Formats: sequence, structure tokens, C-alpha cells
Amino acid sequence: QSVLTQPPSASGTPGQRVTISCSGSSSNIGSNYVYWYQQLPGTAPKLLMYRNNQRPSGVPDRFSGSKSGTSASLAISGLRSEDEADYYCATWDVSLSGRVFGTGTKVTVL
Amino acid sequence: QVQLVESGGGVVQPGRSLRLSCAASGFTFSSFAMHWVRQAPGKGLEWVTLISYDGGNKYYADSLKGRFSISRDNSKNTLFLQMNSLRAEDTALYYCVVTDDAFDIWGQGTMVTVSS
Repeated sequence: QSVLTQPPSASGTPGQRVTISCSGSSSNIGSNYVYWYQQLPGTAPKLLMYRNNQRPSGVPDRFSGSKSGTSASLAISGLRSEDEADYYCATWDVSLSGRVFGTGTKVTVL
Repeated sequence: QVQLVESGGGVVQPGRSLRLSCAASGFTFSSFAMHWVRQAPGKGLEWVTLISYDGGNKYYADSLKGRFSISRDNSKNTLFLQMNSLRAEDTALYYCVVTDDAFDIWGQGTMVTVSS
């Protein structure tokens, strides 16, 4: 099982703000950058956030990331129907000497 | 354009081997570390392995050590994953990935099904 824990689901109505948490430890989130991915049904994951809070070109500023200690979070403001997807956090784990992904959160737009 | 195209997946019996390939184009393949990530049907993402830009360093998920082997041919811009002693739990979509901060590209994946 994954060393990064996310809530299995989150939901909101259009326009609302949704926050997804990612909990880890000192060997992963506590000592490395966090990355966030969005996976739409039937497609490969897409990078949403790198280096904790940096958005790649083309990612709307409705998406924001933060990190504090051994936890990180992704916020989606102004929720839209096209945001309905699975979201994963990821980082490097120095103890495992490998990349680790979060358990994933399914976001539903009500 | 930047592209990763995986191949080599299929249906294989438990205990058999399979070799996946990933053809890279549109970027300087020999300058980047490469990963394999897999996703079992209906499940989350699982990191499998990483190889450094020159092939000198390799890292594996603990659960896979000894059975899977990553390699690359920089002269052919190709990444490989040799999978031995396959088990039912190895059934997944296998993605080839290059990730370096904002430069993050995934292939479309190749499906591996381990079944008798």
C-alpha cells in the first residue's frame, strides 16, 4: 500500500472550493517536493502542480498547491464539471529510494 | 512533438516473461531519467522503476526487486522493462514516463494481463 495517504473522495457543487490532502512522513513529503496529477477517465495522468505550488503552463490558476511539514494539499477553486477526475500526489521517498504516489482522490462535481 | 509510445504488452501466463518497450521522440532522450509506472484496473498509480539518464543508476519498487529489470538504449531513444516470473497481481496498464519538474510526459500505456 502507498505511503502517501489521500481521502478517497471529495465533492462540491460548481463554483465551490475543494481541497485534497496528502499525508506522508519525513522521508518523503517532509524532505522533497510534492507533485500533483489529474487523471481524467481513460487517459494518462496530467501534471497539475510541481515543486509544491508551481503550475505548469496551461494549468488554470483555479488550481493551487501547498505544503507544510509532512503534508501537502491541492485546492480547486471555482469548481467546474471538467474537474471531475482522480487526483494523485507524488514525491520521492529517500528511505525507499523510489517515487511514491498517493492513494488517489476522486473528485465529483455535484 | 514530445511523445512516448509503449509497446510489448499482451496476455501472458503466470510465471512467464514479457519485455516492454517505450519509444521516445521530440526531446533529448539521453538527457533524462525515465520511469515506468503502472496502474491495475480500477486502482491507483504505482511507481515501478527508474533509470538514470545514462543507465548508470536504477531504482525499483521494493515489491518488484529481482523480477523486473529496467534498461535503455540511448542510441535508439528507447526504454525497456523486462518482466520475469509474472504474477496475476502484475496485471496493469504500464506507462513510460519522463518527469523533470514541469517537463512531465506520459505515454498512452501498454496493457499487461497475466492470466492462465
